[in-house]
Amino acid sequence: NAGVTQTPKFQVLKTGQSMTLQCAQDMNHNSMYWYRQDPGMGLRLIYYSASEGTTDKGEVPNGYNVSRLNKREFSLRLESAAPSQTSVYFCASASSGNTIYFGEGSWLTVV
Amino acid sequence: AQRVTQPEKLLSVFKGAPVELKCNYSYSGSPELFWYVQYSRQRLQLLLRHISRESIKGFTADLNKGETSFHLKKPFAQEEDSAMYYCALSSAGGGSNYKLTFGKGTLLTVNP
Repeated sequence: NAGVTQTPKFQVLKTGQSMTLQCAQDMNHNSMYWYRQDPGMGLRLIYYSASEGTTDKGEVPNGYNVSRLNKREFSLRLESAAPSQTSVYFCASASSGNTIYFGEGSWLTVV
Repeated sequence: AQRVTQPEKLLSVFKGAPVELKCNYSYSGSPELFWYVQYSRQRLQLLLRHISRESIKGFTADLNKGETSFHLKKPFAQEEDSAMYYCALSSAGGGSNYKLTFGKGTLLTVNP
C-alpha cells in the first residue's frame, strides 16, 4: 500500500526561488495536512485541509500557500524561499477516525 | 488553545530498565491523545491512542484527566525502542475538521 506519498524527497533551493511540494494519498481520506519538523521544535502545522476544496491556516502558515487539487492531492508551495524555511516537511492524511498517517518527509535546504 | 508539553528533550536508559516518557496537555474540551514514534530517518507512525487502551510493542499510556497527563511507559526497554517519541492531542472530538497538536518530542536512547 502506498499510503501517503510526497515528492521530492530532497531539494536544495536558492533564496528567492519557488517550488512546490507534492503530496498524494490513496486511502480516500478527507483531511490532509502539511507539517514542518525542526530540531527542538517538534512538528508544527503549516496548513490543513478538512475536505476537498477547503484549506485552513495552521500554526506557521507565513511564506507558504497550499492547494487541495482534489481529494487525493494536497500541494505546498513556497513562492520565495528563505533560509528559515530549511526544514523537513511532512504531508499527512486522516480519516474521520482521527488516526493521522504520514508521508516519508521532504528534506528542503534553502541556501 | 491546546498545548502539549513533553518536558524531556532527551532520555537515556539502559536495556531492561523501565522507561517513562512524560506528556502533559492543556485543552478545554475532551481530549483525544496519541503517541507517535519516529525511528531514525523514517516517517512518523502511530504507536498508540488513548481510546484504544491497548499495548503496542510493550508500551502503554494512561490518560489521567486530573493531572492532564498521558505518560508513555514500558517496563523493560529494548535497544530497538531508541527513537523520537511525540505526544499529540486532537483538537476535535470526531468529525473531519480536526488537527493534531504535537509536543516537541523526546529522543529516547536505550543503551546496551
